[in-house]
Amino acid sequence: QKEVEQNSGPLSVPEGAIASLNCTYSDRGSQSFFWYRQYSGKSPELIMFIYSNGDKEDGRFTAQLNKASQYVSLLIRDSQPSDSATYLCAPRGTSYGKLTFGQGTILTVHP
Amino acid sequence: DVKVTQSSRYLVKRTGEKVFLECVQDMDHENMFWYRQDPGLGLRLIYFSYDVKMKEKGDIPEGYSVSREKKERFSLILESASTNQTSMYLCASSFSAGTYEQYFGPGTRLTVT
Repeated sequence: QKEVEQNSGPLSVPEGAIASLNCTYSDRGSQSFFWYRQYSGKSPELIMFIYSNGDKEDGRFTAQLNKASQYVSLLIRDSQPSDSATYLCAPRGTSYGKLTFGQGTILTVHP
Repeated sequence: DVKVTQSSRYLVKRTGEKVFLECVQDMDHENMFWYRQDPGLGLRLIYFSYDVKMKEKGDIPEGYSVSREKKERFSLILESASTNQTSMYLCASSFSAGTYEQYFGPGTRLTVT
């Protein structure tokens, strides 16, 4: 089993729809979880950070964490074409702030 | 604003050459990381450093070495470049406490011919 698995893409949604991105992880010791967005040809940038079970909302973005099920998701409401990017899930383990990145899900929002 | 800079955006080297990739951060971060990113394989950790002169191997250290002589600078060295090291190389840095958010540099696209 891979350490971090993200739902296979690419994911295509119409503008205004909800995009749902999923991630499962194998390390039960993971302390916190990051969602990074990476536009084509650019480096990753942090969009969400969550460490407690439940939901965390930031504007159109909601992260959901369930540590018992080892599952974290990202919902993007009212998706915009500018949300088209690769989304990377990254749990943090216990060692020196190391992150383990999933392969990423490519999201395309079409007008 | 956190700034992580990398010495080159694009680099072309020949097989067998010794290659140096430099990364500098201006936020006094303790941790620094080197990743490579390849299509279908995601971001893979090569090496990281949690303090000056301290380093730890990541998931794919073979063929690479690193150097951290100053807190703000972390170098990745390809001792003898090979074609399978053609990739996008990303440097990142973070504090050793708090959220541990990693800030990424712009990346260096290395081509080994």
